Amino acid sequence: EDQVTQSPEALRLQEGESSSLNCSYTVSGLRGLFWYRQDPGKGPEFLFTLYSAGEEKEKERLKATLTKKESFLHITAPKPEDSATYLCAVINQAGTALIFGKGTTLSVSS
Amino acid sequence: DTAVSQTPKYLVTQMGNDKSIKCEQNLGHDTMYWYKQDSKKFLKIMFSYNNKELIINETVPNRFSPKSPDKAHLNLHINSLELGDSAVYFCASSRDRGGSPLHFGNGTRLTVT
Repeated sequence: EDQVTQSPEALRLQEGESSSLNCSYTVSGLRGLFWYRQDPGKGPEFLFTLYSAGEEKEKERLKATLTKKESFLHITAPKPEDSATYLCAVINQAGTALIFGKGTTLSVSS
Repeated sequence: DTAVSQTPKYLVTQMGNDKSIKCEQNLGHDTMYWYKQDSKKFLKIMFSYNNKELIINETVPNRFSPKSPDKAHLNLHINSLELGDSAVYFCASSRDRGGSPLHFGNGTRLTVT
């Protein structure tokens, strides 16, 4: 059964304190791995798609990487506005819907 | 300019009632979805339609019935509401069913009393 596990569940950082979020997955043929950001009361907002091991994507202070078993979302010098829940999801080769992890809630204080 | 819009945003109702949630996307996407997010924020797929055809129907009670009048709209009707149906329901769309990113609406918070 396809599964996504995210860690840690919650992460508190000081502004400027870089860190990484982990997403481990088991899937019957990975077609794509997705990172989303969700703010309270809002729908998930798409950040990145990674398709193959070794691939990296960057956007402002965020960088996503992918191996054959896991993905990392690196946050460099975070700001309070980066506070949100970050969701990881995978889709398998059968092309069915995204399977989500339970998310990591990030809090960045100034 | 909202890409995926859901109505209503909040829905409070009593057990046993029937209610509907509407969803529209103006992105020209072929595939639409309903996800349920529980109190622990876990997002789980319920249904998916591709060009008005049902392609995913997860283990969801028969009281839940999706309807897609055209590929820009996907509505969710719920019969005989139960306390356990309380959750946030998200509509989403994607360009195709083959792995393109999903774009989500802002959710409908359903509270059953």
